[in-house]
Amino acid sequence: GEDVEQSLFLSVREGDSSVINCTYTDSSSTYLYWYKQEPGAGLQLLTYIFSNMDMKQDQRLTVLLNKKDKHLSLRIADTQTGDSAIYFCAEWDGGSQGNLIFGKGTKLSVKP
Amino acid sequence: DTGVSQDPRHKITKRGQNVTFRCDPISEHNRLYWYRQTLGQGPEFLTYFQNEAQLEKSRLLSDRFSAERPKGSFSTLEIQRTEQGDSAMYLCASSLDGGLNTEAFFGQGTRLTVV
Repeated sequence: GEDVEQSLFLSVREGDSSVINCTYTDSSSTYLYWYKQEPGAGLQLLTYIFSNMDMKQDQRLTVLLNKKDKHLSLRIADTQTGDSAIYFCAEWDGGSQGNLIFGKGTKLSVKP
Repeated sequence: DTGVSQDPRHKITKRGQNVTFRCDPISEHNRLYWYRQTLGQGPEFLTYFQNEAQLEKSRLLSDRFSAERPKGSFSTLEIQRTEQGDSAMYLCASSLDGGLNTEAFFGQGTRLTVV
């Protein structure tokens, strides 16, 4: 079945860049997403990328997609303490309209 | 509109009791999704509605779970005869039609603890 893998923890210093990595198994993934979850809060969609794109940039966020290796990354430039959260990679399997497959999340800690 | 609203935010119940959660989606959104998130895991899909029609159910949704969206607006998720393994955060999300390329907005979730 489909699977999404992420490293569980990342620690960076304020002002540095953060890179969160994700691998997925479903080659038919149509859209890939990055969500942010702060403590006690719901999920916030940060960005998404269509599978025919290699890169998408949105202000401090850069998403890179290597479809051949099924690898997705999220780069956060000039990381701030407010970026501390859990970041989830997710894919839409393309088969059912409702079935987002999430990874376990990467906890980003930003040290001042 | 203040976004997707879920009620209650927290629920503690004894094993064997029934519980019901409510989700109010963003008003013009015709799609509504339920996910479950256990500690240290990502959200897992449970079910989704297009207007009032329940179009997809995950195998995670056992016979003890039932979801409704009677008028195509708010939705309820009921768990009968709760078990300790049901303890989790239950997340609701909504979106406009058009699949998941349109943004799914999530509520803050209902945290269920079964004791």
